[in-house]
Amino acid sequence: AQSVTQLGSHVSVSEGALVLLRCNYSSSVPPYLFWYVQYPNQGLQLLLKYTSAATLVKGINGFEAEFKKSETSFHLTKPSAHMSDAAEYFCAVSAPGGGADGLTFGKGTHLIIQP
Amino acid sequence: DAGVIQSPRHEVTEMGQEVTLRCKPISGHDYLFWYRQTMMRGLELLIYFNNNVPIDDSGMPEDRFSAKMPNASFSTLKIQPSEPRDSAVYFCASSLGGGLSGNTIYFGEGSWLTVV
Repeated sequence: AQSVTQLGSHVSVSEGALVLLRCNYSSSVPPYLFWYVQYPNQGLQLLLKYTSAATLVKGINGFEAEFKKSETSFHLTKPSAHMSDAAEYFCAVSAPGGGADGLTFGKGTHLIIQP
Repeated sequence: DAGVIQSPRHEVTEMGQEVTLRCKPISGHDYLFWYRQTMMRGLELLIYFNNNVPIDDSGMPEDRFSAKMPNASFSTLKIQPSEPRDSAVYFCASSLGGGLSGNTIYFGEGSWLTVV
């Protein structure tokens, strides 16, 4: 079975600063990895996904993530935070043989942007 | 594209009442998922369908919960009788090909359920 751990339930950064949201996964087989964003009172929207092509994945809104097999990590970064980035971010994993065909989500990280 | 459409967006009901949540997946998608989101447990997969057939309902918490998909464009999640601990946001999601192949799963806006 696969699992995801997101370090830090809340992350606060200043506007213009680097955003780093951490995600580590556990999977016995090569996984597919996803980052979703949830704005207040809305559903989840895909930011980016890793599907075994390039290890550095670029997504929407200037976000990117790097798959590091040796560290079992898929951290999300953005060079310069904007106020509109304030939201809940979820890392998710899907792996063949994991059982369910859906995604297993982390607990989420609430990103706070300080003006 | 219209996206995944859920109704109602908000529901407040009394304990013991029946609750029915509805979902219209994206046209052409062959997988449909129901997730529940709570502060304590985060996002949990309740059940998913492939080509209208329930594949895995191991996440359904109790027999009070049931889900159906009578056709490719409609699914329901029913709670009968409802209890206060069922208060949560229920998301419907759909995809073409399922998550195990790395396909994107698209989420609806959610149904916010409060049981008092």
